[in-house]
Amino acid sequence: ILNVEQSPQSLHVQEGDSTNFTCSFPSSNFYALHWYRWETAKSPEALFVMTLNGDEKKKGRISATLNTKEGYSYLYIKGSQPEDSATYLCAFPAGNTGKLIFGQGTTLQVKP
Amino acid sequence: NAGVMQNPRHLVRRRGQEARLRCSPMKGHSHVYWYRQLPEEGLKFMVYLQKENIIDESGMPKERFSAEFPKEGPSILRIQQVVRGDSAAYFCASSPQVLGTEAFFGQGTRLTVV
Repeated sequence: ILNVEQSPQSLHVQEGDSTNFTCSFPSSNFYALHWYRWETAKSPEALFVMTLNGDEKKKGRISATLNTKEGYSYLYIKGSQPEDSATYLCAFPAGNTGKLIFGQGTTLQVKP
Repeated sequence: NAGVMQNPRHLVRRRGQEARLRCSPMKGHSHVYWYRQLPEEGLKFMVYLQKENIIDESGMPKERFSAEFPKEGPSILRIQQVVRGDSAAYFCASSPQVLGTEAFFGQGTRLTVV
C-alpha cells in the first residue's frame, strides 16, 4: 500500500517567521511529487509538480526541494504572512493513471 | 477559461435517496478524477475517467457508487441509496494529460445524509 506521510500535522508561527514542512513518499517507481495549497472553503491549488531528483522550485516566498532517492520533499515558506495560512498537501501519483495519493496535510496558522 | 465547476456545492439527502454530483472539467481537459474527503480524513482517490471510459475505479466502493463521463456534458458521480457514512466532501479534478502536470480541483460538493 502506497503511503504519503507529512509532518508536522499542524504548525503555528508568527508573522515574519520562516517555516518548513516535510513530505515522505515511496522512493520506488517515482513519477512526480505534487504540492498543493488548500485554503478553507476553497479548492486545492497546485503549487509545484516536481519530477527530477535534486529539483528545487520557487514561487514567491515558497520553495520546495525534492530527493527521490530517499523519498522526501521539503516545502519552505520564507517570512510567513497571515495569508499563507492554509493546509499544505503533498501528493504522489500512483501507477500510470495519474491518480494522486495524498498525505494528510500540514495545517499552517500564521498569527499577525 | 473557467475552472473546474462542481455542483451542487451542498447537497442534503435522506437515507435511501440518490445523490448525483456533477463536475465540468476545465476546457480541453479529458482526464477527470473524483476524490472523497471523509470527516477528519484526507483526500482519497475514488475513480479516474477519460471521456466515456472508466480507467481506474479502484478507490470506489463496489456497491451503490457509479461514475460516468459522457461524450457531451459533465462527469457524474452517482450514489444510490445513500447512508450516513456517505456524508463527505466530494472533489473533482481535471488535467490535460495523465502524468507530469498538475490537477485542477473544483470547490467540491459537501454531501450530508440525514
